Amino acid sequence: AQSVAQPEDQVNVAEGNPLTVKCTYSVSGNPYLFWYVQYPNRGLQFLLKYITGDNLVKGSYGFEAEFNKSQTSFHLKKPSALVSDSALYFCAVRPWGNNTDKLIFGTGTRLQVFP
Amino acid sequence: GAGVSQSPSNKVTEKGKDVELRCDPISGHTALYWYRQRLGQGLEFLIYFQGNSAPDKSGLPSDRFSAERTGESVSTLTIQRTQQEDSAVYLCASSRYSSGTGREQYFGPGTRLTVT
Repeated sequence: AQSVAQPEDQVNVAEGNPLTVKCTYSVSGNPYLFWYVQYPNRGLQFLLKYITGDNLVKGSYGFEAEFNKSQTSFHLKKPSALVSDSALYFCAVRPWGNNTDKLIFGTGTRLQVFP
Repeated sequence: GAGVSQSPSNKVTEKGKDVELRCDPISGHTALYWYRQRLGQGLEFLIYFQGNSAPDKSGLPSDRFSAERTGESVSTLTIQRTQQEDSAVYLCASSRYSSGTGREQYFGPGTRLTVT
């Protein structure tokens, strides 16, 4: 079955420190990979995506993610965390071969950045 | 410009009643998606519309769920004879023309449905 795993329910990091939010996937073929963020009382916002090309993808708000095909991972990273980065982060994958862009989402990781 | 809008923002209904949820996509976005987000879980795909093509209904959990969209405009998601397990946040998203090209989706704020 095609799936996305976010192994950490919550990640805590001090402001100014680097952060990593983990994501692994299991799909057939070459996936399209996405990160979305959900701030409190707001809808999901697109952060970044990997379609093809350079494995390191840069996105909004200083976030980046690295596609690792051998490890089937797409971890989200930021060199220096801000308190305002505190939110719920979702990894998603569009399985290969679909004619739609419907997404399979992970269960989300809550990021808490402490001052 | 205006984003995706959904109404109502909250809906409380009694078990067995029908509910209708509305989504207004971003103007010019031909693709429209409905997802469901249960508490503590990720988003589950429900249904996808692309222009005048037949919708992809593969995610609808039962025949109590249906959705309509006229052209590239408003969509309604209808849940008949609601059950308590239908309680969730229902999210709508839209994107530009989609043919499996990895377009990012723009999400609305959601409708929180509570079935008592």
